[in-house]
Amino acid sequence: DIQMTQSPSTLSASVGDRVSITCRASQSISRWLAWYQQKPGKAPKVLIYKASSLESGVPSRFSGSGSGTEFTLTISSLQPDDFATYYCQQYNSYPWTFGQGTKVEIK
Amino acid sequence: EVQLLESGGGLVLPGGSLRLSCAASGFTFSSYAMSWVRQAPGKGLEWVSAMSGSGDNTYYPDSVKGRFTISRDNSKNTLYLQMNSLRAEDTAVYYCAKQDWNPGGYMDVWGKGTTVTVSS
Repeated sequence: DIQMTQSPSTLSASVGDRVSITCRASQSISRWLAWYQQKPGKAPKVLIYKASSLESGVPSRFSGSGSGTEFTLTISSLQPDDFATYYCQQYNSYPWTFGQGTKVEIK
Repeated sequence: EVQLLESGGGLVLPGGSLRLSCAASGFTFSSYAMSWVRQAPGKGLEWVSAMSGSGDNTYYPDSVKGRFTISRDNSKNTLYLQMNSLRAEDTAVYYCAKQDWNPGGYMDVWGKGTTVTVSS
């Protein structure tokens, strides 16, 4: 199985900050990576697919990059609505696997 | 509007069984693979099964293989998850999710989830 490792586990930031979350795969997954945002008590919502493609309706302050084994989700200017937990997920091969999550907190 | 609505969750004894359902609307159900993903209380996301659009192919992680069975009825636009030999560690919110193509793809639409509690 492909293991996905996110860092950091928690990130404290202020509104307006530029923040980045890293996701590493235990083997190459090409660009078959998605990023999801989840708020407490809600279902996850996809932000980015195929490593860098922005899902329709997602604000352009979200961006993704990377390929192979290392990927990054960047929020260019953190907004109050962005405080949430973020997960990466590989869909290169079954079983699909998620990172452990990164909680973005208010500093 | 694309919608997924899960049902069937509840309290079950260890060793018991439960069948979850996911009613889909707003898209051509048979054209897309579908998945179940769960989230234990206070924990991260865990993918637990997927099925191709035709139903010919199924996929499971080792943690549920042999205990859980995914199925679908394309005439009813409904996805199912039969869960047998349930354990306390199966306690979670279970989400149904549409994949963006068949038989793979990322999960582009999610339901609101149904809660399964395994406890005596």
